[in-house]
Amino acid sequence: AQSVTQLDSQVPVFEEAPVELRCNYSSSVSVYLFWYVQYPNQGLQLLLKYLSGSTLVESINGFEAEFNKSQTSFHLRKPSVHISDTAEYFCAVAVLRGSTLGRLYFGRGTQLTVWP
Amino acid sequence: DAGVTQSPTHLIKTRGQQVTLRCSPISGHKSVSWYQQVLGQGPQFIFQYYEKEERGRGNFPDRFSARQFPNYSSELNVNALLLGDSALYLCASSLEETDTQYFGPGTRLTVL
Repeated sequence: AQSVTQLDSQVPVFEEAPVELRCNYSSSVSVYLFWYVQYPNQGLQLLLKYLSGSTLVESINGFEAEFNKSQTSFHLRKPSVHISDTAEYFCAVAVLRGSTLGRLYFGRGTQLTVWP
Repeated sequence: DAGVTQSPTHLIKTRGQQVTLRCSPISGHKSVSWYQQVLGQGPQFIFQYYEKEERGRGNFPDRFSARQFPNYSSELNVNALLLGDSALYLCASSLEETDTQYFGPGTRLTVL
């Protein structure tokens, strides 16, 4: 079975500080990896994704994540956060083979709170 | 371009009732998936439909059912509602089965 572990349930940081949200997954087959962001009382918005190619992927609002196959990790980073980055962040995995093809497995989420 | 739309946005039901939630995918997307997000947890996979056929089902009881229509829109039905069915129900669409999934705003279901 696939599983996704987000190692921190809450991450408080001050504005303009760097942040890392950690994500590890377990899978014996090839996967796609995603980070989604959820603002209060809203659905999920795709932040960035790794499908293939370069292991470092970036979003348009300054976040980046690096796929590390040997450590089965896909940590999310931002060098300088803004108050508007306050939200819940979900790491997700899609398995590319087998009976669970196409479904997303999510972690429990990390609440990022940015303080002024 | 319109994103994934869901209706209704909020719903209040009592135990034992039945509910139908609706989803319209992004234009051109053929696959629709449903997820349940209980407060404080990540979304859990319920169903995936592709070209009107069920392609996957999560670990949910038979009270949960769904279908996809020729225009690729979808409905999720839940019978005999329980208090534990209270959650945000998310619909996601993708071009094909394994493509990136884009989520709608969700339907907040409260069961009293």
